[in-house]
Amino acid sequence: DGGITQSPKYLFRKEGQNVTLSCEQNLNHDAMYWYRQDPGQGLRLIYYSQIVNDFQKGDIAEGYSVSREKKESFPLTVTSAQKNPTAFYLCASSVINGFRGEKLFFGSGTQLSVL
Amino acid sequence: GENVEQHPSTLSVQEGDSAVIKCTYSDSASNYFPWYKQELGKRPQLIIDIRSNVGEKKDQRIAVTLNKTAKHFSLHITETQPEDSAVYFCAASSPRDKIIFGKGTRLHILP
Repeated sequence: DGGITQSPKYLFRKEGQNVTLSCEQNLNHDAMYWYRQDPGQGLRLIYYSQIVNDFQKGDIAEGYSVSREKKESFPLTVTSAQKNPTAFYLCASSVINGFRGEKLFFGSGTQLSVL
Repeated sequence: GENVEQHPSTLSVQEGDSAVIKCTYSDSASNYFPWYKQELGKRPQLIIDIRSNVGEKKDQRIAVTLNKTAKHFSLHITETQPEDSAVYFCAASSPRDKIIFGKGTRLHILP
């Protein structure tokens, strides 16, 4: 445990509102990821970043945005365009690039609900 | 792209018995197969992984087997204990592509 921190633990979004989920890591990892977890759906990739100031869309990027201004930080914004945002959001990091067989380190997650 | 199917979705076993979770993948180029365990309310954690140049890997009560020809791999837990109760995710990735996760198996260890 430790090394990658997500906040807040619980978040509520009102209709039409954008909300931002925080993810910080002190593992000096190059790569960071955002996954969405729905019951019975596994982990689906939203966005990933392999290096500062660069990021790529995952499988379900619509309605989400990210930034990677610092190596340690990879915030996720859930925009009003995301019509079904209620889910458990997990941030992860890996040493270089998890897509090539590297262990993923996960944060403890943020549960987002719609009011 | 890669597609990973995981079965069963729910599994209940008596404490002390063995549990087996099976996954299949579609991309023959996939060469890395990790398994993650997520306890209730906690983050997923890697418990074991296997690469395509190996057929089996063991770590105490946990083992993973890989059949490249059939494109399936399995997680075996022997002498199950209450702390094994969790959701288990298999995954697959190729050098060119991202890690794709299965939908998970909820394992219940019955007293």
